[in-house]
Amino acid sequence: DAEITQSPRHKITETGRQVTLACHQTWNHNNMFWYRQDLGHGLRLIHYSYGVQDTNKGEVSDGYSVSRSNTEDLPLTLESAASSQTSVYFCASSLDLQETQYFGPGTRLLVL
Amino acid sequence: DQQVKQNSPSLSVQEGRISILNCDYTNSMFDYFLWYKKYPAEGPTFLISISSIKDKNEDGRFTVFLNKSAKHLSLHIVPSQPGDSAVYFCAASAPETSGSRLTFGEGTQLTVNP
Repeated sequence: DAEITQSPRHKITETGRQVTLACHQTWNHNNMFWYRQDLGHGLRLIHYSYGVQDTNKGEVSDGYSVSRSNTEDLPLTLESAASSQTSVYFCASSLDLQETQYFGPGTRLLVL
Repeated sequence: DQQVKQNSPSLSVQEGRISILNCDYTNSMFDYFLWYKKYPAEGPTFLISISSIKDKNEDGRFTVFLNKSAKHLSLHIVPSQPGDSAVYFCAASAPETSGSRLTFGEGTQLTVNP
């Protein structure tokens, strides 16, 4: 079955370290998204991609970067982790011209 | 500036009764609206959607109503079941944002008591 996976599911890191969260989808979707979920804010868009080599900044992109070298993967990198980046991170994907996004199970990140 | 707002952080209802979850938006360019459900330790899952050309969409126990003049939508669950207990997110998109970029509300925690 086609799916979207995220790894790791849980991560503890220290302030200042570089962290990369993986997202992999097997639906062959062109569009991929990264969100963070925080209490009182819902889901906020960090970065998104409409296809290979395409990346765009979302609402809360500072301190994060993404790269899209193939259709299946959109890794999210925290350049220098900060305590404010402690959150739950969700990856999602969708087909072109369709609004429904399918979400991965999430990565819970704690920055100490 | 929160363009999609869910003013009730939580809602508690009895099993078998109706659950009504509300969502307000400020961007008049939004033309497509969705509801997602999220269980703990899982990703959000798509529940139901509505286009701005409609004012109602029904799928089994779930109905979404859209009032464009009031910039308000609501999700009705009838009858409510304990398995419906989850966080519900309202989301919206505008036509100028290709590739289905969504703006989410803060979420409402629904608890259905047996």
